[in-house]
Amino acid sequence: DSGVTQTPKHLITATGQRVTLRCSPRSGDLSVYWYQQSLDQGLQFLIQYYNGEERAKGNILERFSAQQFPDLHSELNLSSLELGDSALYFCASSVDETANGNEQFFGPGTRLTVL
Amino acid sequence: AQSVTQLDSQVPVFEEAPVELRCNYSSSVSVYLFWYVQYPNQGLQLLLKYLSGSTLVKGINGFEAEFNKSQTSFHLRKPSVHISDTAEYFCAVSLFSGGSNYKLTFGKGTLLTVNP
Repeated sequence: DSGVTQTPKHLITATGQRVTLRCSPRSGDLSVYWYQQSLDQGLQFLIQYYNGEERAKGNILERFSAQQFPDLHSELNLSSLELGDSALYFCASSVDETANGNEQFFGPGTRLTVL
Repeated sequence: AQSVTQLDSQVPVFEEAPVELRCNYSSSVSVYLFWYVQYPNQGLQLLLKYLSGSTLVKGINGFEAEFNKSQTSFHLRKPSVHISDTAEYFCAVSLFSGGSNYKLTFGKGTLLTVNP
């Protein structure tokens, strides 16, 4: 158990819909990272927050957004869903602002299926 | 730009045999290197990492990796695998830029299957 929790574990929805994925980092960790894992693209970095502020953006679509709240939990919002958004979404956390050499602790993931 | 190439998408081996999972990276600056493991239906877990110093890095579960700067490689090895090592293994590189680094780039993964 990494200490990172993600809800829900599974999510099934239809195209065009909007969903929210939730992540609670390990106690004491200030950084939250979101990743998307799919068969064709592999594991891709989406976005990072540190202590409530956006720190870095990766391959995140404009239809996706995220935020980190004062209690440090984070939410990833996916809207106008397409079939291709079906994937496993991971949240990770670390104590520091940067990912230089610090271990990121991964949650168990949310499996999103768009029908 | 940085990229990570895992040369084998699948590696089947027999129990107690040695294994090497290959990883090459491309970067014009110094990097930090990682190997993560993903067991079925679980998140990723850090196996080991190279930051600096000795090029041979030992990790959990008997795994080790060797950083080779001239060949830009970071291959993962284990002298004798167990059935429980069956999992997907990801090599990742983190760009070192004096403090503004924030992104891990992952390889496509190598599925290690250990057969009895």
